Amino acid sequence: DAKTTQPNSMESNEEEPVHLPCNHSTISGTDYIHWYRQLPSQGPEYVIHGLTSNVNNRMASLAIAEDRKSSTLILHRATLRDAAVYYCILSPSQAGTALIFGKGTTLSVSS
Amino acid sequence: SQTIHQWPATLVQPVGSPLSLECTVEGTSNPNLYWYRQAAGRGLQLLFYSVGIGQISSEVPQNLSASRPQDRQFILSSKKLLLSDSGFYLCAWSGEPANYGYTFGSGTRLTVV
Repeated sequence: DAKTTQPNSMESNEEEPVHLPCNHSTISGTDYIHWYRQLPSQGPEYVIHGLTSNVNNRMASLAIAEDRKSSTLILHRATLRDAAVYYCILSPSQAGTALIFGKGTTLSVSS
Repeated sequence: SQTIHQWPATLVQPVGSPLSLECTVEGTSNPNLYWYRQAAGRGLQLLFYSVGIGQISSEVPQNLSASRPQDRQFILSSKKLLLSDSGFYLCAWSGEPANYGYTFGSGTRLTVV
């Protein structure tokens, strides 16, 4: 599986935008970029996923570099409830293969 | 709508005892099913995945086994638990259309004593 590199931790203030980076220089042309987050003592929660174009949903935006070797998850206005571990994962399928989780980025949000 | 049920939420078992964790999915057919484990302070480790009834792929050699007796039922078992089997066990499913992504259950926290 293609690997991703994320910072171990990031900090943010409430109501400020947060940009969570992910490097995936060995991504293949058919790999999807998935983002999940895990709150303490809970299972991971789907955030967003994309292939080539930027994606927006009610939770976040996903900005994908033109060469697809990096991507950024954007939380437009962080809240205390956004404090979680965020995982950037590559997968050759949107939903047909197992997701392999790395260590992710622990996001702390301060009031 | 699709839902995933996982139970029990917490479990304390003695070393050497058997284990059976059950996961069921509702509202979809022929889902891909997964078992993950998260040891304390560690990342999520894929244990098993299944693309259909009776089809199980094991990712890590271990003291555990999985079975899929029905389309939307996935069971994680052990004949004799070890202390190292303690952790947070998560079931997940995925399927088409792909916009649903992967959905995780609420997890079972297993403590082997």
